[in-house]
Amino acid sequence: SQTIHQWPATLVQPVGSPLSLECTVEGTSNPNLYWYRQAAGRGLQLLFYSVGIGQISSEVPQNLSASRPQDRQFILSSKKLLLSDSGFYLCAWSPGARGDTQYFGPGTRLTVL
Amino acid sequence: AQTVTQSQPEMSVQEAETVTLSCTYDTSENNYYLFWYKQPPSRQMILVIRQEAYKQQNATENRFSVNFQKAAKSFSLKISDSQLGDTAMYFCAFMKMVDNYGQNFVFGPGTRLSVLP
Repeated sequence: SQTIHQWPATLVQPVGSPLSLECTVEGTSNPNLYWYRQAAGRGLQLLFYSVGIGQISSEVPQNLSASRPQDRQFILSSKKLLLSDSGFYLCAWSPGARGDTQYFGPGTRLTVL
Repeated sequence: AQTVTQSQPEMSVQEAETVTLSCTYDTSENNYYLFWYKQPPSRQMILVIRQEAYKQQNATENRFSVNFQKAAKSFSLKISDSQLGDTAMYFCAFMKMVDNYGQNFVFGPGTRLSVLP
């Protein structure tokens, strides 16, 4: 069966510091991968999605970037964090075919101080 | 651009009763998919139910069912025999294909459901 992991689960970082959040998927190949951010008490905002290695589409221009160095690995990064980057970050995957469901990881809670 | 609206920020229901959560969406697409996800306090997003727009029959998963009205662009979720474990945020989501491979998911703002003992 397929599983999706996110690391770390919780992170507290000072303003101006770099960021690297990792997402890995097991048990499937060529997944579509997604990064979402969820502000406190709010819905999900799609940040990036990827349909293959090295292919990244950005939905919202901001202080973040994403990379996909391996088929089942998706990384969210920042060179300098802002206070507004605080939130709950969710990674998701889908098989990519028409109508497929997205399955979510457990999330990373990021607090920027 | 597609939008998803959930007009009920918070709802409550007594255990064993039935509750309906509303969702409306706006799109010019004809082929798309609709989902309901729940997010309990653990914050893990869990798929509840899925509906293909080309299917007229409403989807059902055990105690969960939807009322899909394509012309009205409405997609409500009915929870029967509510249980304490149903307490969660519920998100309605719209999905369409992008470039034949990608998927564009748009989520509503969510409805916080509390099941009361």
